Amino acid sequence: AQKITQTQPGMFVQEKEAVTLDCTYDTSDQSYGLFWYKQPSSGEMIFLIYQGSYDEQNATEGRYSLNFQKARKSANLVISASQLGDSAMYFCAMREGPAGGTSYGKLTFGQGTILTVHP
Amino acid sequence: NAGVTQTPKFRILKIGQSMTLQCAQDMNHNYMYWYRQDPGMGLKLIYYSVGAGITDKGEVPNGYNVSRSTTEDFPLRLELAAPSQTSVYFCASSFGTGLGEQYFGPGTRLTVT
Repeated sequence: AQKITQTQPGMFVQEKEAVTLDCTYDTSDQSYGLFWYKQPSSGEMIFLIYQGSYDEQNATEGRYSLNFQKARKSANLVISASQLGDSAMYFCAMREGPAGGTSYGKLTFGQGTILTVHP
Repeated sequence: NAGVTQTPKFRILKIGQSMTLQCAQDMNHNYMYWYRQDPGMGLKLIYYSVGAGITDKGEVPNGYNVSRSTTEDFPLRLELAAPSQTSVYFCASSFGTGLGEQYFGPGTRLTVT
């Protein structure tokens, strides 16, 4: 079974609208971390947001928020007020085990969602 | 800080040739990683290191070797290149503690023909 599933190969959104990118995960660990990265067409990987499995609040970073539903094992990324510069590939990733533990920070990535923002 | 640097940016290899992809970081991170990204796909872990002299295999290590003699450098060696190794290679690093977010280099685009 895939550990990280991103079911939306491509998403379109109108500029200034909000968009949700889906991510579900599979782990038997109680302690884990979930990450979202952005990959623009230039190719670099940019860290956006992090959610720990024991964090009670959903993570937020500026226009990015993470809708964490632990029981459903989902960690959706919400981008508010989309901008043209948000057009990129977005990856969800998971670290199994606690930070600083014997997982050594290894990440498993989903296949990504290409987001296109229309003016 | 330069962050994570990778050289070269692009390379074309013939089948059977060998090469070393260079990676360096100046953030004093103890953890370093090598990933490959095939077209339209997510990243897959090749090898990782938790400190100088300590390396281990990731999900797709076949055809690759690594070494880590210093905290800063983590080169990836391709022996006997094959077309299946055509990919974009990313090096990343992180602190061993904290959230564990990884900082990525700009990538090396490798084509094997």
